[in-house]
Amino acid sequence: DTGVSQDPRHKITKRGQNVTFRCDPISEHNRLYWYRQTLGQGPEFLTYFQNEAQLEKSRLLSDRFSAERPKGSFSTLEIQRTEQGDSAMYLCASSLEAGGLSGYTFGSGTRLTVV
Amino acid sequence: GDSVTQMEGPVTLSEEAFLTINCTYTATGYPSLFWYVQYPGEGLQLLLKATKADDKGSNKGFEATYRKETTSFHLEKGSVQVSDSAVYFCAQRGYGSEKLVFGKGMKLTVNP
Repeated sequence: DTGVSQDPRHKITKRGQNVTFRCDPISEHNRLYWYRQTLGQGPEFLTYFQNEAQLEKSRLLSDRFSAERPKGSFSTLEIQRTEQGDSAMYLCASSLEAGGLSGYTFGSGTRLTVV
Repeated sequence: GDSVTQMEGPVTLSEEAFLTINCTYTATGYPSLFWYVQYPGEGLQLLLKATKADDKGSNKGFEATYRKETTSFHLEKGSVQVSDSAVYFCAQRGYGSEKLVFGKGMKLTVNP
């Protein structure tokens, strides 16, 4: 078990470009979460999957954002037409139990810089 | 809506000093409460948790007690070490919710 993996670790993109991030959760975890963290702030919830079903989305997730978890394993987060305000750390987490009673396991994140 | 307010740093302490990081929450119902820690260059890690009033979470010498009457979950450690240097986040999860709501985090530096 190598924990939650996120790829890439860093991404620099020009405004207006599309970017896609990948998250590989712990293999037996059926719940997967995406959070966004800007400088000096705590992580903010974006969306949540149970297996392949996307069960909750934050209002932060505008229609430029889309997340998938097609086979209930890895997940992708795509941002279309990036804006400078999208610059942030994007965190993925997974858990086995409802509500993460044993704690969510977070990845190290993908840092996005939009120039 | 649900929120978490915690002490903002940064804070610098000397080794063996006493640490308190205040955390209060607003929530409908009775949430579960968490402290997460982020060491330099690493992902968020669960430090401790409490799921109901008067529960005490503890780990690595850190403690926090779920106080319903004051809606607080303050983190304490009696004697900090250099290795405790990190950013500490207080968080809550509402009953029946899958979403964690975090405070802004507090950066702690411990000097030898």
